[in-house]
Formats: sequence, C-alpha cells, structure tokens
Amino acid sequence: AQKVTQAQTEISVVEKEDVTLDCVYETRDTTYYLFWYKQPPSGELVFLIRRNSFDEQNEISGRYSWNFQKSTSSFNFTITASQVVDSAVYFCALSGSNTGNQFYFGTGTSLTVIP
Amino acid sequence: DGGITQSPKYLFRKEGQNVTLSCEQNLNHDAMYWYRQDPGQGLRLIYYSQIVNDFQKGDIAEGYSVSREKKESFPLTVTSAQKNPTAFYLCASSPMDSRAYSNQPQHFGDGTRLSIL
Repeated sequence: AQKVTQAQTEISVVEKEDVTLDCVYETRDTTYYLFWYKQPPSGELVFLIRRNSFDEQNEISGRYSWNFQKSTSSFNFTITASQVVDSAVYFCALSGSNTGNQFYFGTGTSLTVIP
Repeated sequence: DGGITQSPKYLFRKEGQNVTLSCEQNLNHDAMYWYRQDPGQGLRLIYYSQIVNDFQKGDIAEGYSVSREKKESFPLTVTSAQKNPTAFYLCASSPMDSRAYSNQPQHFGDGTRLSIL
C-alpha cells in the first residue's frame, strides 16, 4: 500500500524565519518517486520537485531545500528566510513503480507567513 | 502558452442533476487525471486515462463518469448518484515516458469549485 503522511496541518511563521514541512511515506515498492507541490490561494497545484528512490542527495533551489532520508522514509521540505508569498498549502506525493503514474497525496500542510 | 484549462471556475448543481466539468490540455500529454479535493483530506483520485478511449477508476469513482475521445480533452460528469458532490475538482495531465517507471510530474489546471443549490 502507498501512503503519505503530513502530520502538520497548519504552520504559522513570521517572515524571514525558516520553516520545515514534514513528509513521511509508506511503500513496498523498491522504485518510487516523491514529489512536492505548492497550492496558492488561486487553487492550481504548482510542481516543485521530484526525487526518485535511488537518489538520496539533498537538493537546494534558492530558498527551498529538500532532505530525503530512506532510513526514516521521510522527504522533508525547508523554506529558508520565508516570505509572505510562500503562504500556501504544500502537498507531498508518492508514486510507485507498480502504480503507473498514479499519485498518492498527503493531506497537505497550510503555511502562513506573517509579515 | 501550453497548459491545462478547466471550466467553469464555479459550478452549481441542483438536486438530481448531472453536470459536466471540462478539462482541456495543449501539452500533448498522454495521461490525464481527475482529483477531488475536500478540506483537510488532500487530493483523491477519481478517474485517470493513459490513452485515448481508455480510462480507469481511481479511489472514489462512484457517482462520476468520464470520457476520453480526444487526447486533449477529459471531461468529468458528476452524476446525480454522487450524493455529496460539493468539492474542489482538479484536472491534471502528464507525459507517459517510454521507460516503465519514470513517473513524470503531473501538471494541474486551476480547478472547478462545485456547489449544491
């Protein structure tokens, strides 16, 4: 079975603070992919990153960074020096090698950055 | 610009009425998907299609129907059998890579918000 857990329902931070969004996944597949999406108030989901299960290197893109640890089945997302424009709902998703391109989404974390 | 267009943005349904949500993409993607989003529940897959004239049920297909007559279009009909249709509906598409397990990112439309009158 495939499952994604985002235990943090809502987070509020003050602008310029760092914030980490947690994502824990479950899968029996040896090959799988993990994704993060951002959903601003407009509603559209915006793709942020994809990682495959064989690549545990952390990745940094500007103020965004991702920490993938297979040992703890986690794929956490950190925003450094948060800005008001980062306010959105963030979803973590999983797709396994035996599920075609079917995605399994977590319930999302709503981030509010206070100016 | 390439993208996914969902219409209408807001839709109201009367009791016992079927309504159809439109989804069109010009990204030349083979696969298309419909998700339902309820507050606090994330996205749940309704139907998906990997090729024209073929589609599969997702986790919550009951009360919904789809068609895939053209590569660009994947309309979703919410039937009167769907007793709790009020939700935000998202359409997505993705390429189908020639490799077996590429799992390409899905691209999403702006969504349709459906409410009951």
